[in-house]
Amino acid sequence: IAGITQAPTSQILAAGRRMTLRCTQDMRHNAMYWYRQDLGLGLRLIHYSNTAGTTGKGEVPDGYSVSRANTDDFPLTLASAVPSQTSVYFCASSEGTSGANEQFFGPGTRLTVL
Amino acid sequence: GQNIDQPTEMTATEGAIVQINCTYQTSGFNGLFWYQQHAGEAPTFLSYNVLDGLEEKGRFSSFLSRSKGYSYLLLKELQMKDSASYLCAVRDSDYKLSFGAGTTVTVRA
Repeated sequence: IAGITQAPTSQILAAGRRMTLRCTQDMRHNAMYWYRQDLGLGLRLIHYSNTAGTTGKGEVPDGYSVSRANTDDFPLTLASAVPSQTSVYFCASSEGTSGANEQFFGPGTRLTVL
Repeated sequence: GQNIDQPTEMTATEGAIVQINCTYQTSGFNGLFWYQQHAGEAPTFLSYNVLDGLEEKGRFSSFLSRSKGYSYLLLKELQMKDSASYLCAVRDSDYKLSFGAGTTVTVRA
């Protein structure tokens, strides 16, 4: 069982380029999330999806878009990358959004925008 | 917005006990989580509190006081492998998690 996977592991990107970070889970979890983690700031929520076909904005959504066409996949797209988007990106999933449903995290994507 | 505070760093000796405090001010409350994150790795779930009191799980315990907006994570019988960052996260009224910046614990021999 893979759990939750992310691709690529790391990427160096020129500013202005378009980039899609991929996230796939095989746990049939309803909810999925994208976070960025920056030194001293902790994890910040970018976008989320409580169930397939729905998405919502988190704390820092500007410059990012997501889609949730099915249960398993939740790609994050940077339409035109900027250096401030240099970060480690974590995808997470949970069976539900309430109760003791903890979030399971993918291994992360380290993105550098030059 | 959310405001979650925890100390930046703590150091302790192998075999000792360390208590990591977390205070929070959030719009609504639907539970508090603690995660462990080793350097270069993903966060992993440690504990969940929604009612006041202590939850014990082996060497790790977590305490919650909702009226004080306060939680702590207690790590007992510290081992070298416990050197990691510990993240406090609060779930708000919209069922979204907000994370503190994390506490880096260094265990010394």
